[in-house]
Amino acid sequence: GQQVMQIPQYQHVQEGEDFTTYCNSSTTLSNIQWYKQRPGGHPVFLIQLVKSGEVKKQKRLTFQFGEAKKNSSLHITATQTTDVGTYFCPPSGGGADGLTFGKGTHLIIQP
Amino acid sequence: NAGVTQTPKFQVLKTGQSMTLQCAQDMNHEYMSWYRQDPGMGLRLIHYSVGAGITDQGEVPNGYNVSRSTTEDFPLRLLSAAPSQTSVYFCASSYSLGTGFDEQFFGPGTRLTVL
Repeated sequence: GQQVMQIPQYQHVQEGEDFTTYCNSSTTLSNIQWYKQRPGGHPVFLIQLVKSGEVKKQKRLTFQFGEAKKNSSLHITATQTTDVGTYFCPPSGGGADGLTFGKGTHLIIQP
Repeated sequence: NAGVTQTPKFQVLKTGQSMTLQCAQDMNHEYMSWYRQDPGMGLRLIHYSVGAGITDQGEVPNGYNVSRSTTEDFPLRLLSAAPSQTSVYFCASSYSLGTGFDEQFFGPGTRLTVL
């Protein structure tokens, strides 16, 4: 299946600071999904991006799909302690090779 | 709807023992999959199924078997447990779209320790 490189792998921020994680692919992606996994929990679906240049917002979270559909980003404004966790961006198009999640970005927030 | 359920929640095995991790979903999802999660390694796909009677290997299939006799159930079998299989195992399911994947619903996980 398609794979992406997600950066950074770890990010420490002070509570109230902004946070951005990036997913980059060497090939054009059909779709991409974003998930959040809280410590000790299971991954939970956040959103799917399908269109070139698409921007979607969920409260303080902004998701973007690049114009060339080779990259995506998640930006969190004014982080809160509830944002702690690991964020994954599996490519979700292309049929039945299985959905690969990779290592994700671990967000650590210092109060 | 119970969603995706996994049993057991915790398990300790001795090297060489076999066991089956259970996964069931009540959403009539065609697609089901198993992942393992180890510190620093993210989620790695073990096996997946696009419907009853159809299974395929993911990234790390060695040491594991699966079968899909019904739409609801997708058990994962460890044939001869090894310490390297100590991990957290997640089952997931979704509708299977012709052009890609729909939202994945994950179970709560099984924490397995092999001594």
